[in-house]
Amino acid sequence: QKEVEQNSGPLSVPEGAIASLNCTYSDRGSQSFFWYRQYSGKSPELIMFIYSNGDKEDGRFTAQLNKASQYVSLLIRDSQPSDSATYLCALRRTGFQKLVFGTGTRLLVSP
Amino acid sequence: DAGVIQSPRHEVTEMGQEVTLRCKPISGHNSLFWYRQTMMRGLELLIYFNNNVPIDDSGMPEDRFSAKMPNASFSTLKIQPSEPRDSAVYFCASSFGRENEKLFFGSGTQLSVL
Repeated sequence: QKEVEQNSGPLSVPEGAIASLNCTYSDRGSQSFFWYRQYSGKSPELIMFIYSNGDKEDGRFTAQLNKASQYVSLLIRDSQPSDSATYLCALRRTGFQKLVFGTGTRLLVSP
Repeated sequence: DAGVIQSPRHEVTEMGQEVTLRCKPISGHNSLFWYRQTMMRGLELLIYFNNNVPIDDSGMPEDRFSAKMPNASFSTLKIQPSEPRDSAVYFCASSFGRENEKLFFGSGTQLSVL
């Protein structure tokens, strides 16, 4: 079982809709969770991180964490064509500095 | 700040040749990471340094790969000899090393081994 699992997609949503991206992980020792966005041919950039159960909102983005279910999600409200990218879920285990990434979910937002 | 600087941006080489990738982290950052990205395996951590000291190299595929960080402003990743399966995008990233501190990625080096 992979440490971080993501559906590769593509996930297609119309402009203005809510995009829901999901991630599951296998190690209960995981402490912090990160969502990175990567445009084609570019490097990953951090959108937000979460380490407490529940929701964390930042503008149009909401990260949700459920440690009991080992599940992390990212909601993008009012999706825009400029949100079309690959979204990478990453985790950091307690006591470790390195980030472990999933393979990413490709999001396509159509006008 | 110019961000994390990697060179070269593209490298095309023949199997068996030595390849050296270079990285200059953001000034003041004390942690440096080398990742490799392929379609099949995604972003894989190869090695990371803290205060110029290698902390975890468990992701280095085999002895053909080596990495150094002689000072706080420079790191290299060397592949010798290179093989076609090494073809990937190699990213360098740096951070302040504090908990939940974000990684700043360089633009990456696209490596093609023929």
